[in-house]
Amino acid sequence: GAGVSQSPSNKVTEKGKDVELRCDPISGHTALYWYRQRLGQGLEFLIYFQGNSAPDKSGLPSDRFSAERTGESVSTLTIQRTQQEDSAVYLCASSLGQPSSGNTIYFGEGSWLTVV
Amino acid sequence: AQSVSQHNHHVILSEAASLELGCNYSYGGTVNLFWYVQYPGQHLQLLLKYFSGDPLVKGIKGFEAEFIKSKFSFNLRKPSVQWSDTAEYFCAVTAHTGGFKTIFGAGTRLFVKA
Repeated sequence: GAGVSQSPSNKVTEKGKDVELRCDPISGHTALYWYRQRLGQGLEFLIYFQGNSAPDKSGLPSDRFSAERTGESVSTLTIQRTQQEDSAVYLCASSLGQPSSGNTIYFGEGSWLTVV
Repeated sequence: AQSVSQHNHHVILSEAASLELGCNYSYGGTVNLFWYVQYPGQHLQLLLKYFSGDPLVKGIKGFEAEFIKSKFSFNLRKPSVQWSDTAEYFCAVTAHTGGFKTIFGAGTRLFVKA
């Protein structure tokens, strides 16, 4: 597709369960981001992938959070042993990753996670 | 590490009022600067961006922003707001480091009264 695609769009899970969120970036985009947006709050940076470089994981809130990316395509964000405070919208975004292009980020629709 | 500060968390204006939303960033090197908007029930979309050239940038729907390097600022302006501008506005900065990580501010919720 033409845009960033995320799945599932909505997920309700029980506390303590693991969840996986998937992101398909725009084709050709070397940079991929995960952000978290809690209800009524701003965007919280989680992790950033750029090409084949080591990912910037500085925003991951705990070791329960991890993310992988296969080459320059699909990424999966995994949350283990979910807690209620993990409830949020998880936004994936991608960009060309090149400053000469202005590096505009394109967002997906987000995955709404509710931990009950 | 770069950071972004948006000074106003909530702004309420009447239609036709002028708007200025503050944004300051901390990073001493080259940056790209953005404003994104999130309308109710919609996903984030680009409003305008600065990456080089004229520091006064014009975006969609009559918005503009001015990059003042000496003040590390990129304030968003609109001379006359409309009810349809009710949304949340996010400032963002991409630092030209080894990678090009983009960090967002906390957002400003704008409510325009009809």
